[in-house]
Amino acid sequence: EVQLVESGGGLIQPGGSLRLSCAATGVTFSSDWMHWVRQAPGKGPVWLSRMNSDGSNTMYAGSVKGRFTISRDNAKNTLYLQMNSLRVEDTAVYYCARGAPTVNTLVFDYWGQGTLVTVSS
Amino acid sequence: EIVLTQSPGTLSLSPGERATLSCRASQSVSYSCLAWYQRKPGQAPRLLIYGASSRATGIPDRFCGSGSGTDFTLTISRLEPEDFAMYYCQQYGSSPFTFGPGTRVDIK
Repeated sequence: EVQLVESGGGLIQPGGSLRLSCAATGVTFSSDWMHWVRQAPGKGPVWLSRMNSDGSNTMYAGSVKGRFTISRDNAKNTLYLQMNSLRVEDTAVYYCARGAPTVNTLVFDYWGQGTLVTVSS
Repeated sequence: EIVLTQSPGTLSLSPGERATLSCRASQSVSYSCLAWYQRKPGQAPRLLIYGASSRATGIPDRFCGSGSGTDFTLTISRLEPEDFAMYYCQQYGSSPFTFGPGTRVDIK
């Protein structure tokens, strides 16, 4: 059974930093492209970042470029999102998602349950 | 950035009825790189459709995607009780890979 489990969310003041983790089981993690997506209450999902399977290539949405950094440890089957200079508008539930290997790596076939990040003073 | 608009915002229908959900893009979506997801409360999103019209593994054939360019449609031919949920479209033809705001399909 595929499981993606996010952790690391919480309440943080504006300007602060957090690192999110996503532990993957039931997948061949080292072969998978992985993504971070967030969703604020009442809004649609927003794609943030993706990393290819060996970690050599990344891409970011403009709203987080320069502030967030995606990384992975294939030995630990874990994806990370380092979030710096957090803003109130970064408040959302953050999800990791797998790029569907048999369809298109930019389409998401498995998602985690999410971790809530609240940026507030 | 391609902006996706979904309509209607809410669709109130009865089981057995046909649901037609629209997703319109602010510019043409490359190679029909358009996906649809279903989301139920407390659950992770489920991939339904990719490439505008291809059903993902295990998706019943009552779900049908169509369209190209800037106009896409998800049709659920006969609503089952488990189909009442939120539906999102996503374009992955150009970065950033954007989602629509969603259509809620409610039980009438």
